[in-house]
Amino acid sequence: DTGVSQDPRHKITKRGQNVTFRCDPISEHNRLYWYRQTLGQGPEFLTYFQNEAQLEKSRLLSDRFSAERPKGSFSTLEIQRTEQGDSAMYLCASELAGERDTQYFGPGTRLTVL
Amino acid sequence: QKEVEQDPGPLSVPEGAIVSLNCTYSNSAFQYFMWYRQYSRKGPELLMYTYSSGNKEDGRFTAQVDKSSKYISLFIRDSQPSDSATYLCAMSANNYGQNFVFGPGTRLSVLP
Repeated sequence: DTGVSQDPRHKITKRGQNVTFRCDPISEHNRLYWYRQTLGQGPEFLTYFQNEAQLEKSRLLSDRFSAERPKGSFSTLEIQRTEQGDSAMYLCASELAGERDTQYFGPGTRLTVL
Repeated sequence: QKEVEQDPGPLSVPEGAIVSLNCTYSNSAFQYFMWYRQYSRKGPELLMYTYSSGNKEDGRFTAQVDKSSKYISLFIRDSQPSDSATYLCAMSANNYGQNFVFGPGTRLSVLP
């Protein structure tokens, strides 16, 4: 257990439904990242927060995706109108800003869109 | 050509062997290099973090960076069955996590 938790661990949904994932980072970590990982590939950056501010979003993050980190604590990632291509592992990682060796990933949420 | 290439494996070795895992890259601006270990159904775990060229050792693990060849390696000495996992390299031109580019990973099996 890295101290970063994600919920749910697995989600199966039908195409067109909305889904929301939650990440609880290590409490003192001010930076939080979301990544997407498909089978046989490394993680791809989606977005990140420093405290409550969302500072950057990847081109991968279409307008169906939205992320929040209210009060700089936990974060949520919502996917609206899911598509089969959204099926992937969604990973959250947290760290102290600028201190790469403090980075820890959560176990991920595996999304399957039918 | 992908920005970061990595032999996907799978790589099978007997317990106690020395394992060499490698990545090549095309972007000469990369200066920060990391190795992660990912067990099945788990998130990646940061193993090694290096800046620029040279070697870094941590226990049974040694990371090497050769920027002139755009080639990085992770060596595992006295490999154990518990080292069986997928190993991902990642790299970036700066120290910002949002800019790190991951390789596809090499799946390693260490057989008892």
